[in-house]
This record gives sequence, C-alpha cells and structure tokens, in this order.
Amino acid sequence: AQKITQTQPGMFVQEKEAVTLDCTYDTSDQSYGLFWYKQPSSGEMIFLIYQGSYDEQNATEGRYSLNFQKARKSANLVISASQLGDSAMYFCAMRESYGQNFVFGPGTRLSVLP
Amino acid sequence: GAGVSQSPRYKVAKRGQDVALRCDPISGHVSLFWYQQALGQGPEFLTYFQNEAQLDKSGLPSDRFFAERPEGSVSTLKIQRTQQEDSAVYLCASSLVGGTVTNTGELFFGEGSRLTVL
Repeated sequence: AQKITQTQPGMFVQEKEAVTLDCTYDTSDQSYGLFWYKQPSSGEMIFLIYQGSYDEQNATEGRYSLNFQKARKSANLVISASQLGDSAMYFCAMRESYGQNFVFGPGTRLSVLP
Repeated sequence: GAGVSQSPRYKVAKRGQDVALRCDPISGHVSLFWYQQALGQGPEFLTYFQNEAQLDKSGLPSDRFFAERPEGSVSTLKIQRTQQEDSAVYLCASSLVGGTVTNTGELFFGEGSRLTVL
C-alpha cells in the first residue's frame, strides 16, 4: 500500500504568492516523523522541514511551514512568498516509529512563474 | 568533505556488465540508505545499514543487486549483469542513529550516481 500520497504531479504559482503542496500518509504507528525535501534540476536532495507526530505546533522554517493535521493524516507544505529558485520537485517523506526506513512520496513539480 | 560523497557521478554500462557504486557517508553517521530514483519519480528504498549490519534489504529489486558496508563507513552498491531497467540515479543518504521523535534524524543525501545501461 502506498504510504505517502502526493496528488499533485505539477503545480504552478506566481512569484511572490504562497503555494500549498499536499501530502497524505498512512501509518498505524503513533510515533513517526514527516519530512519535506526539495530536489532542484541539479539533482541534490535538500532537507526543508520536519514535523514529529507528537509536536503540537506546526513546524516552520523561514518561508516554509507545515500544515499538520494528524487526524486527517496530512502534512501539507506551505511556501510563502514564492521565488523563482523555488522551482523544483518536492518530496514528502515519513519515518515510522523507531524504525529507520524513510518512505518517499512520488513528488510534486513546482514551477514558479515570473 | 563534510557531506555525503558518491562516486562515480555518471556511469555508462553495456548490458550485462557489472557495476559498483560507492558511497562515503558523513563521518559519525551510523545509518546509511540506498535509494533508486527513476526519472521524474520519487526515491525508492533499496537497502539500509546500521553500522556494518544490513538491517533491511527488502527493496533490492533482484538478486543481481548487492550492497555492503564492511567497516561501518563506506558502502558499495553492486549491480551484476546490468539490464536496461537498472538505468536510474542511485542515491545514498546517511543519518545519525536514533530514529526517535527527539531528533529529526533527517537524511543527508549525496549527489547521486547516474547509471545508464545501453
């Protein structure tokens, strides 16, 4: 079964606007971590933001914030004030419990328009 | 260097050749992962090491794939008798051990090894 679902293969956003990238996950564990990574065309994977399942507040890192809705099992990434350099693939990932495996979603390609 | 280092960055192999891909993780990182990423898709888990122990190899697609990390640092992913469907980017990542909620335990990725099988 797919553990991470990203339903938006591609998204467009105007420069300086905010955009939300969707992520839903499937787990029966109570303890897990959720991650977002950015992969520009150059190929490197860049860690953006982390949310622990027990964190009561939504994570924020600069222009990135995570809209965590535990009951809905969703962990959407919000990018505020989009920049041209934000154009990239974005992957949602999950690490379950005390296990070590990271499972990645299929990704969303974000294109920021000038 | 301070980051995860992978070599070669690019490898072209003829179908049937054996290839070896190397990963040098961040010093002190106990956990090491290998992923396969096809064009336009997300990374697919291949295998995971904790120190020298291969704790999970459930993602290896066939017995032609073999990974090792004999001294708990550098790891090698070997693909025997390469096939065209093996063409992909192979990503290595490392992290601090301790997958608890008290630390992020995020993965640090190398730049990947792009394998093209002709």
